[in-house]
Amino acid sequence: DSGVTQTPKHLITATGQRVTLRCSPRSGDLSVYWYQQSLDQGLQFLIQYYNGEERAKGNILERFSAQQFPDLHSELNLSSLELGDSALYFCASSSSGRRTDTQYFGPGTRLTVL
Amino acid sequence: AQKITQTQPGMFVQEKEAVTLDCTYDTSDPSYGLFWYKQPSSGEMIFLIYQGSYDQQNATEGRYSLNFQKARKSANLVISASQLGDSAMYFCAMREASGGYNKLIFGAGTRLAVHP
Repeated sequence: DSGVTQTPKHLITATGQRVTLRCSPRSGDLSVYWYQQSLDQGLQFLIQYYNGEERAKGNILERFSAQQFPDLHSELNLSSLELGDSALYFCASSSSGRRTDTQYFGPGTRLTVL
Repeated sequence: AQKITQTQPGMFVQEKEAVTLDCTYDTSDPSYGLFWYKQPSSGEMIFLIYQGSYDQQNATEGRYSLNFQKARKSANLVISASQLGDSAMYFCAMREASGGYNKLIFGAGTRLAVHP
């Protein structure tokens, strides 16, 4: 158990809908990262937050947004869902967000868009 | 651009034997970090081992060791005394350090099957 929690574990929804994925980092970690794992794209970095502020952006679609709250939990919002958004979404956390940090991953949320 | 290559889509090994999973990387940044993660069929990503580009010695963590050859830009994972529970996908990742970011770039993964 990495100490990173993600809810829900599974999510099934329809095209055009909006969903919110939630992540709680390990105790004491200030930095949160979101990754998407799909069959065709592999594991891709989406976005990083550090202590409530956006730190880096990757291949994140405009339909997707995220935020980190004062209690350091993070939410990833996916809207106008398409079939291709079906994937495993991981949240990871690290202590400071510096380059020497190890990122610990949560169990993931499996999103299925029908 | 930084890149991670894992050339072995699948590997198999007999229980109790050692196995090496290959990883090569490409970067122009002198400061970088290399990671290996394990993803069992249940889906979670488990951190295994880390090697910093300035580390003088190869990293080891229990049965895992990282064969770091900087000049060849390779960071192979060695699993000694394989166990049935080692059957999983293994991902090599590199931290992109430019701009102070800390995002990981992953390879395509290697699926390891341990046979009894």
